[in-house]
Amino acid sequence: KNQVEQSPQSLIILEGKNCTLQCNYTVSPFSNLRWYKQDTGRGPVSLTIMTFSENTKSNGRYTATLDADTKQSSLHITASQLSDSASYICVVSPRTGNQFYFGTGTSLTVIP
Amino acid sequence: DAGITQSPRHKVTETGTPVTLRCHQTENHRYMYWYRQDPGHGLRLIHYSYGVKDTDKGEVSDGYSVSRSKTEDFLLTLESATSSQTSVYFCAINRGDISEQFFGPGTRLTVL
Repeated sequence: KNQVEQSPQSLIILEGKNCTLQCNYTVSPFSNLRWYKQDTGRGPVSLTIMTFSENTKSNGRYTATLDADTKQSSLHITASQLSDSASYICVVSPRTGNQFYFGTGTSLTVIP
Repeated sequence: DAGITQSPRHKVTETGTPVTLRCHQTENHRYMYWYRQDPGHGLRLIHYSYGVKDTDKGEVSDGYSVSRSKTEDFLLTLESATSSQTSVYFCAINRGDISEQFFGPGTRLTVL
C-alpha cells in the first residue's frame, strides 16, 4: 500500500535554532517528492521538488534530502524564524497515475 | 496563488441541504483537483479532472459529485450535506513539466 508517514507530528523550537523533519514513504514506483509549507488558513505552497537522482536540494534556509534506497526524506530548517511556524507536508508522486500521496504533516511552532 | 480562486471562502449550512463549491483558474491548466483536509488525515483526494467533462474519483468521493463544463471552472457538489463533510476544501491545479500542484486558498465548510 502506498503510504507517506511524517514525524514528528508536532514540534516547538526556539527562534534561531535548527530543526529536521522526517518523511518516510512506501510509494512505488517513485517519481518525485515535494515538501510543502502550509501557513494557517492558507493552501500549501511548494518548497522543494526532488526526483530520484537528487540527494540534496536547498531553498534558502530550507534543505531537503532524499535517500531513494531507504525511501526517506528530511527537511532541515536552519536558523528558524517566527515566520517558519506552519505545517510542513511531504507529498510523493508515483511514476504512473494521476494521484499524489500526502503525509499528515508536521506542525512546527517557532517561539521567541 | 497561481491564479486559483475558490468561492465561497466560508460557508455554514444545515444537514441535508445541497452545497456547491467553485474553483476557478485563469491559466487553462488541464488537471484540476478537489481535496478535503481534516485534522489527523492530511489532504485527501475527492475528485479530479483531466479535461472538460473528464473527471475521476479519488479516495473519498462518496457523497460528492463534480462537474467541469469549462476549462477554467471545476465545481464540487455535496448533494445532501452531512456533518461528516465539515472540513476545509482545497482546489489544486497541475502546472509545469514536473507535476507540482498549486493550491487555492481553501473553503471552510461547516455542516450543522
